[in-house]
Amino acid sequence: DSGVTQTPKHLITATGQRVTLRCSPRSGDLSVYWYQQSLDQGLQFLIQYYNGEERAKGNILERFSAQQFPDLHSELNLSSLELGDSALYFCASSPRLSGNTIYFGEGSWLTVV
Amino acid sequence: TQLLEQSPQFLSIQEGENLTVYCNSSSVFSSLQWYRQEPGEGPVLLVTVVTGGEVKKLKRLTFQFGDARKDSSLHITAAQPGDTGLYLCAGDQTGANNLFFGTGTRLTVIP
Repeated sequence: DSGVTQTPKHLITATGQRVTLRCSPRSGDLSVYWYQQSLDQGLQFLIQYYNGEERAKGNILERFSAQQFPDLHSELNLSSLELGDSALYFCASSPRLSGNTIYFGEGSWLTVV
Repeated sequence: TQLLEQSPQFLSIQEGENLTVYCNSSSVFSSLQWYRQEPGEGPVLLVTVVTGGEVKKLKRLTFQFGDARKDSSLHITAAQPGDTGLYLCAGDQTGANNLFFGTGTRLTVIP
């Protein structure tokens, strides 16, 4: 158990819909990262928040957004969903801004039908 | 553009055999990590190497960081079915907040 909690574990939704994925980082960790993992593209970095502020952006679509709240939990919002958005979405946390060690949650499986 | 390329992409071996997985890049990294991911779970950190030429051993696993800090290898001795999983390398670059993950090596150890 890494200490990073993600909900929901599984989600099935229709194209065009909007979903929110939730992440609680390890106790004391200020950085939260979101990654997308699909079969053909490996683990892709989406976005990072540190202590409530966006600090790094990767290959995140404009239809996706995220935020980190004062209690340090984070949410990833995915809208206008397409079939290709089906993937495993991971949250990870670390205590520092640019940590070389991050701890992953178990992921949220999103299936868009 | 993939910063870190892993090889082989897939590897299927018999229990008891040895294997080496490679992680290569043209970029320099401050440190490099190896993770193992099992189906339906998140990647779990195995080791972090930070010094060029560094070698770390974790039971039957040996990790090496290249002298120029651009590549790394993972060697498993006497593989066991429990070693089955997706092995990911990840690099940390100065000035970048996120880790760059490799393409992954999917290992299957057959009993």
